[in-house]
Amino acid sequence: ETGVTQTPRHLVMGMTNKKSLKCEQHLGHNAMYWYKQSAKKPLELMFVYNFKEQTENNSVPSRFSPECPNSSHLFLHLHTLQPEDSALYLCASSHGLLTGTDGYTFGSGTRLTVV
Amino acid sequence: AQSVTQLDSQVPVFEEAPVELRCNYSSSVSVYLFWYVQYPNQGLQLLLKYLSGSTLVKGINGFEAEFNKSQTSFHLRKPSVHISDTAEYFCAVSDRSNFGNEKLTFGTGTRLTIIP
Repeated sequence: ETGVTQTPRHLVMGMTNKKSLKCEQHLGHNAMYWYKQSAKKPLELMFVYNFKEQTENNSVPSRFSPECPNSSHLFLHLHTLQPEDSALYLCASSHGLLTGTDGYTFGSGTRLTVV
Repeated sequence: AQSVTQLDSQVPVFEEAPVELRCNYSSSVSVYLFWYVQYPNQGLQLLLKYLSGSTLVKGINGFEAEFNKSQTSFHLRKPSVHISDTAEYFCAVSDRSNFGNEKLTFGTGTRLTIIP
């Protein structure tokens, strides 16, 4: 399988639940990203990982906890979320520090609904 | 710091008519420029990119964009749109001086709606 794969595609969770989103890439990329896309709002960069190290956290609430065990996998652990956290969560990857010319490859996203 | 402005949040166009989606950027250094397309309930897909050389860049699905350094613009065009072009389009910029760090700055997106 090639490209960036996100699972699950859809997730409904209660505010007291704990769940995880998974992202996997088979492109040999070294950088991975989590974005939040809410209706009628710009794309929000949440976290950036380069070579498994977190290089950016854009003031994301602690109820979102990222994990990057290796350059191919990225997780977003969720707990005690709020209804306003309902959104499309997009994962992306890129070559990172090797080259600046390829842009990002995105997954299809996880549609999260918090009830 | 770099920024991207997409002035038009929504653009309705009749089928088979031409379309232009506007993108302006701000940066103190040379940049790479990208257009992405997002179909409903999908991730973003690379449409085309400008790195260097010819200022007219051709992408997938019949789209093209022209880099204009003096006007700091990178407008996206298609001479004849199809129903299947209905989607959201994002312009993005990457700072060339970051020695390969590919952090992209995205615009707020333009929703293109094709009217039959």
